[in-house]
Amino acid sequence: DAKTTQPPSMDCAEGRAANLPCNHSTISGNEYVYWYRQIHSQGPQYIIHGLKNNETNEMASLIITEDRKSSTLILPHATLRDTAVYYCIVRVKTSSNTGKLIFGQGTTLQVKP
Amino acid sequence: GAGVSQSPRYKVAKRGQDVALRCDPISGHVSLFWYQQALGQGPEFLTYFQNEAQLDKSGLPSDRFFAERPEGSVSTLKIQRTQQEDSAVYLCASSLAAGNEQFFGPGTRLTVL
Repeated sequence: DAKTTQPPSMDCAEGRAANLPCNHSTISGNEYVYWYRQIHSQGPQYIIHGLKNNETNEMASLIITEDRKSSTLILPHATLRDTAVYYCIVRVKTSSNTGKLIFGQGTTLQVKP
Repeated sequence: GAGVSQSPRYKVAKRGQDVALRCDPISGHVSLFWYQQALGQGPEFLTYFQNEAQLDKSGLPSDRFFAERPEGSVSTLKIQRTQQEDSAVYLCASSLAAGNEQFFGPGTRLTVL
């Protein structure tokens, strides 16, 4: 699976949009971009995933560049409860492989009042 | 609740003791994963089950680590002769199938003295 690069930490003001970048310059054509987050002392939580089109759900939006070498997770109105480590992961989404997730160091997002 | 549960939540073991960690996945989920998370690091894959079959154990760090899922539901991760370097949070995750989003349990924090 392709390696991802994320900034180690970011701050965001409560109520503002949080934009978390991820570089995945070696991504293959059949690899999806996944985002998970881990709030302190909890297990990781799935947020969103996409292949090449932008995606939106009730939690966040995912913007993937046209060349697919980078993406941005957007939390439109960050709250204090969004303070967590955010992981960007790329992997093949098929039933023929294990589907294991390879986590990097992630970005620690601190939402401040 | 219908989430992934793990027990115990905390375990303290003396060096050399054997421990057993339990995971109850979401009912009906075919795929089950174990991850190890050292302090300050992202989770690292240990092993994967599809129903009762252990299809990938490439992440198990030594032959002291053993996992089973005999009836394709509950899984147990066993660590024999624990060492201090085994101290970590052990996370279990399940998914409907290998390529689907994974739902994580809260983890078991193991401390080896």
